[in-house]
Amino acid sequence: NFILTQPHSVSASPGKTVTISCTRSSGSIARYSVQWYQQRPGSFPTTVIFENNQRPSGVPDRFSGSIDTSSNSASLTISGLKTEDESDYYCQSYDDNNRVFGGGTRLTVL
Amino acid sequence: QVQLVESGGGVVQPGRSLRLSCTASGFSFRAYGMHWVRQAPGKGLEWAAVISYDGNTKYYTDSVKGRFTISRDNSKNTLFLQMNSLRAEDTATYYCVKDTTSYSSSGYYFDYWGRGTLVTVSS
Repeated sequence: NFILTQPHSVSASPGKTVTISCTRSSGSIARYSVQWYQQRPGSFPTTVIFENNQRPSGVPDRFSGSIDTSSNSASLTISGLKTEDESDYYCQSYDDNNRVFGGGTRLTVL
Repeated sequence: QVQLVESGGGVVQPGRSLRLSCTASGFSFRAYGMHWVRQAPGKGLEWAAVISYDGNTKYYTDSVKGRFTISRDNSKNTLFLQMNSLRAEDTATYYCVKDTTSYSSSGYYFDYWGRGTLVTVSS
């Protein structure tokens, strides 16, 4: 089984840009897509990025996703930060037998 | 719009059973695989099980294999999770989650989530 490693926490000021990383321990990041889920405090998760860089309808274009094959990692970038973006963010990927979440990153907007 | 409403959670003693349900609306339920994802209090997300759109293919995470059974009734737009031999470590909020891809025999990622139902395993 592989694991997805995320930073425990990140912080930034309103209006700034923040990037959250997600590193895959084994298996190619390019072979299996990466998704990102937002979970606001006390609420259920919602999907903000699927298939590495696709936004569901209703998700603002301030949210973007990418992958980097050289580091076998994915990134979620949020620009023009708003206080409402303060949440836990989870990356997720898979292989033939497993669906795996990263440990989550708490974003603080201060 | 897509709605997923879980029910059936509660407090149960270790070793006992519980059955969760999820009623779906707003999409063609019979066309999509469905998952259960759980979250222990204060912890991260953990995928638990998936069932294909037709119910013929099921996969489980290792920690629930042999104890949990996922099933569905496409005539009633309902997903189930039968949980037997419950343990304290099964305590979590259980989310019903729709797969992104239609008519897939094995779903791998998610688009819509329910609000969850809390299962507490305690004596």
